[in-house]
Amino acid sequence: GQSLEQPSEVTAVEGAIVQINCTYQTSGFYGLSWYQQHDGGAPTFLSYNGLDGLEETGRFSSFLSRSDSYGYLLLQELQMKDSASYFCAVRDRHNQGGKLIFGQGTELSVKP
Amino acid sequence: EAGVVQSPRYKIIEKKQPVAFWCNPISGHNTLYWYLQNLGQGPELLIRYENEEAVDDSQLPKDRFSAERLKGVDSTLKIQPAELGDSAVYLCASSSGQGYSYNEQFFGPGTRLTVL
Repeated sequence: GQSLEQPSEVTAVEGAIVQINCTYQTSGFYGLSWYQQHDGGAPTFLSYNGLDGLEETGRFSSFLSRSDSYGYLLLQELQMKDSASYFCAVRDRHNQGGKLIFGQGTELSVKP
Repeated sequence: EAGVVQSPRYKIIEKKQPVAFWCNPISGHNTLYWYLQNLGQGPELLIRYENEEAVDDSQLPKDRFSAERLKGVDSTLKIQPAELGDSAVYLCASSSGQGYSYNEQFFGPGTRLTVL
């Protein structure tokens, strides 16, 4: 089967750096995505790692180590608007690689 | 460019009643997904369409849930009859890739269903 683990809550202060970890177990790993969701809003795509290493997009970076079944999302220069839930999602090789399996989400609270 | 459109945004029904949700994906996106999201959880895939074909409906409770995407564009998800445990947010998403040709998924705002 498949499973993902990420912390349920993280708190940080404005301007700081925070890392949200994600470990996964899957029989057919194809890639790791990250999505952001504000309260009552739609999940929005942040980043995707298909290969090992770091992907950088502005203040957000995402890292993948396939040998460790581990990835993380790094948020720099935190802003109040970054308070949201962050989901890692494994792209599963089955069903022609089109299936995303989401973690439970990490609720990030950014304090002044 | 318009995003994924869903309606209604909110729906309150009594148990055993039928309910339907509608989704219009981003123009040109051939892959459409329906997800269920419970409070404090991540989205869970119910069904995935590539054009008109349901390529993954393994998670759809077929005794009460049905979906269609007749012309390969908009889609309807139906529950009949609804149960208390169906209260959740139903998300629709679309993407321009198929299968291994990955593209990010764009989500709609969801329909929040409350079953009383």
